[in-house]
Amino acid sequence: DTAVSQTPKYLVTQMGNDKSIKCEQNLGHDTMYWYKQDSKKFLKIMFSYNNKELIINETVPNRFSPKSPDKAHLNLHINSLELGDSAVYFCASSQEAYGYTFGSGTRLTVV
Amino acid sequence: TQLLEQSPQFLSIQEGENLTVYCNSSSVFSSLQWYRQEPGEGPVLLVTVVTGGEVKKLKRLTFQFGDARKDSSLHITAAQPGDTGLYLCARVDNNNDMRFGAGTRLTVKP
Repeated sequence: DTAVSQTPKYLVTQMGNDKSIKCEQNLGHDTMYWYKQDSKKFLKIMFSYNNKELIINETVPNRFSPKSPDKAHLNLHINSLELGDSAVYFCASSQEAYGYTFGSGTRLTVV
Repeated sequence: TQLLEQSPQFLSIQEGENLTVYCNSSSVFSSLQWYRQEPGEGPVLLVTVVTGGEVKKLKRLTFQFGDARKDSSLHITAAQPGDTGLYLCARVDNNNDMRFGAGTRLTVKP
């Protein structure tokens, strides 16, 4: 039973398209996150939600919009995709600061 | 601006050797976590250190948190090929705001 599951694992799409990545956690954690990992493997936080409330919103283009329908789900919608959006996107969850559990990532390729 | 500096960026050693990787910050942080990431997977938590001077051991891995809580090290004894991966340190501050260092990419050759 996967603790943090993301779908899809791979996503190839054309510039200008709109796409969504879904994330679900079954750990009962209160906080969920989206991280972006670039080609140099640097992991950068994008958003965090605590009990459906937006807590962290880094300097991310407003083409990226997170949505949390309930505390077990945090989806990421991206409008008007650009080449520079190509990266691996990781969802994670945590309960307070007691370690984060990450999903296995969504590799987004914009062509 | 990165809040955490990790060194070295790359490390390639032979099986059986010892190694240490470092994680440094110019400011104090409330806690620090070490993760290991393998290709195609997300980072997996290895340890959390909270108290200055704290030392934690996980089999052949020894984690140390500096007295001033601005730095940390990870020492691996008798490295094995299975230790190969990307080692990431991350500082955790208020609001569960976790920021990663750039990572150390370790390769252990058989």
